[in-house]
Amino acid sequence: EVQMLESGGGLVQPGGSLRLSCAASEFTFGNYGMIWVRQAPGKGLEWVSSIGTSDAYTYYPDSMKGRFTISRDNSKNTLYLQMNSLRAEDTAVYYCAKIPFSGACYFDYWGQGTLVTVSS
Amino acid sequence: EIVLTQSPATLSLSPGERATLSCRASQSVRSYLAWYQQKPGQAPRLLIYDASNRATGIPARFSGSGSGTDFTLTISSLEPEDFAVYYCQQRTNNWWTFGQGTKVEI
Repeated sequence: EVQMLESGGGLVQPGGSLRLSCAASEFTFGNYGMIWVRQAPGKGLEWVSSIGTSDAYTYYPDSMKGRFTISRDNSKNTLYLQMNSLRAEDTAVYYCAKIPFSGACYFDYWGQGTLVTVSS
Repeated sequence: EIVLTQSPATLSLSPGERATLSCRASQSVRSYLAWYQQKPGQAPRLLIYDASNRATGIPARFSGSGSGTDFTLTISSLEPEDFAVYYCQQRTNNWWTFGQGTKVEI
């Protein structure tokens, strides 16, 4: 069964950095686009970043550009999210999810999430 | 940016009743709309993709309809495990957005 396991979350001070990882298994990771979605406590879902099958194709909403960087290592079946200049409003559970094919407009599998808390 | 507006914010129903959830897009998304279910402490789960296609393993009581700007998720007869938050979602030009969610509660 498709599995994705996020890690790297934790408590970080405002202005700090954190790198999240998403380890994928039971599917050919390099063949699929991936995405990061976050959910602040008690709030809805928010798109953070997405990536094609290689680092050549990355996308961000304007609110994340310049601070967050998505990347992937297909040899390690792992997706990453580098987060810099963190703010209190970045506090959220961060999920990775799989895009079932190029051009698909939905995600078919999600990880269980990792909690990032930005606080002094 | 396409904005998705879900209504109502909360739906109070009983097991066995029919639930009708709405999602309206600020501009046409054709049929490229998905629905997810999220229970407390869990990741979202795909229910419906491309407006009306049930995902693998999703019971037939869940159905989706609509195109363009107006979409509906219907749960024909609520089971106890269906009480959760439901989100709609779209992708246009590599820009992904979610609705704010509808909570279906007892």
